[in-house]
Amino acid sequence: DGGITQSPKYLFRKEGQNVTLSCEQNLNHDAMYWYRQDPGQGLRLIYYSQIVNDFQKGDIAEGYSVSREKKESFPLTVTSAQKNPTAFYLCASAPGYGNQPQHFGDGTRLSIL
Amino acid sequence: AQSVSQHNHHVILSEAASLELGCNYSYGGTVNLFWYVQYPGQHLQLLLKYFSGDPLVKGIKGFEAEFIKSKFSFNLRKPSVQWSDTAEYFCAVMPNFGNEKLTFGTGTRLTIIP
Repeated sequence: DGGITQSPKYLFRKEGQNVTLSCEQNLNHDAMYWYRQDPGQGLRLIYYSQIVNDFQKGDIAEGYSVSREKKESFPLTVTSAQKNPTAFYLCASAPGYGNQPQHFGDGTRLSIL
Repeated sequence: AQSVSQHNHHVILSEAASLELGCNYSYGGTVNLFWYVQYPGQHLQLLLKYFSGDPLVKGIKGFEAEFIKSKFSFNLRKPSVQWSDTAEYFCAVMPNFGNEKLTFGTGTRLTIIP
């Protein structure tokens, strides 16, 4: 069954800690995306990658980092520099051509202890 | 850069009522338009999309949307809503050429009263 797997579903972080959110897809999609969802603000793009070993900043990249070493995987690290990390994080993927719709994972809810 | 406005933040309707959710976008070129839905506790899923051709597009679960280029609008409609339509609805725009970045609106929460 093809899809996008995000783990964990819930994540807690202490102040000053970095934390990494996992995103794996088996859809053979070239493009992958990370969004942050806050109440009343919709989804905002953090980082995206259209091909392995390449990624670009989105609209709110400060305090985040990513890597794309494999086609299937696009982990997001929330660093201690992110001042307001509590949010719902969504990963998405798309074929990467023809302006096709993005497919979304179930999300990870990050909370600060 | 593109932007999307969804003016209705929370809509409450009774079952069988008709629905129209507004979506306006800002972008100088050709765009692709999408409506996504997020049911409680579920992942975001595609309702319908417009790329080109007939400006009236039909999606899943009886939803449709009309692209009116002169008004930069892509409103979502359903003639008769059901309780199961309770969800959050997001409009999104993607420029037709470029890096395929989606820009989302802030979302509309729809509550259907049985």
